[in-house]
Amino acid sequence: QKEVEQDPGPLSVPEGAIVSLNCTYSNSAFQYFMWYRQYSRKGPELLMYTYSSGNKEDGRFTAQVDKSSKYISLFIRDSQPSDSATYLCAMTLDSWGKLQFGAGTQVVVTP
Amino acid sequence: DAGVIQSPRHEVTEMGQEVTLRCKPISGHNSLFWYRQTMMRGLELLIYFNNNVPIDDSGMPEDRFSAKMPNASFSTLKIQPSEPRDSAVYFCASSPRVGDQYFGPGTRLLVL
Repeated sequence: QKEVEQDPGPLSVPEGAIVSLNCTYSNSAFQYFMWYRQYSRKGPELLMYTYSSGNKEDGRFTAQVDKSSKYISLFIRDSQPSDSATYLCAMTLDSWGKLQFGAGTQVVVTP
Repeated sequence: DAGVIQSPRHEVTEMGQEVTLRCKPISGHNSLFWYRQTMMRGLELLIYFNNNVPIDDSGMPEDRFSAKMPNASFSTLKIQPSEPRDSAVYFCASSPRVGDQYFGPGTRLLVL
C-alpha cells in the first residue's frame, strides 16, 4: 500500500463547476500538507500549504485537512479552463522537508 | 528572480553514455531536491541536500546515479552508464522552508 493515495483521474468538469480533489494517507505522523499544480510540460508549483487540521482558503481555492481521518481535500470554486492541470497532493513528516507526493489527479475544465 | 534553472532542457543519448544534468537553485534557498517523473511511477524523490550536504539518497535507484552539490548555487545529477529505463523528466527543486519547493522546468531525458 502506498503512503499517499490519490485518484489519477482524469476528472472532467464544465467551466464554473466546483472541482473536488482528495488524497488519503496512511502515516499519522505527517505534519505538513500541500497541494501542487502542474501544467503540461512544466514543473509543479505550490498552490496551498497547511499545517494543522481545518480549512484554509485562498481566493477560489480551499484546502481541508482532516488528520483524524487521514484525508485531505482541495476545492476549486468557479473553475476556469486555465485550471486544467494535474494536481498533486504532498505531505511531509520531517523538518528537512522530504515530501511524499500522491500520483496526481488530471483535471480538465471544459468551456 | 529567474527561478530554478536546469540544463539541458532536453537530452537524447545512447545507452551506455554518461549523462550530466545541472541545476542552479534560487539564491538563499538552503535545501535542494532532485526528482524523477514518469507516467508509470509518478514523481519520485531521488536525493536531497540541506546546506550543500546530502541528507537522504535512499531514492537513488542504483549506483549508476550520483549527485553532488559543491556549493550553494550549483548541483549536478550524473547517470553513468545510462540505460533506456532512465528515460524520464528530471526535476530539480529548491526550498526556503519545509514543504515550499520551487521546481525548475525539468530536463527531458531520452536514452535510446
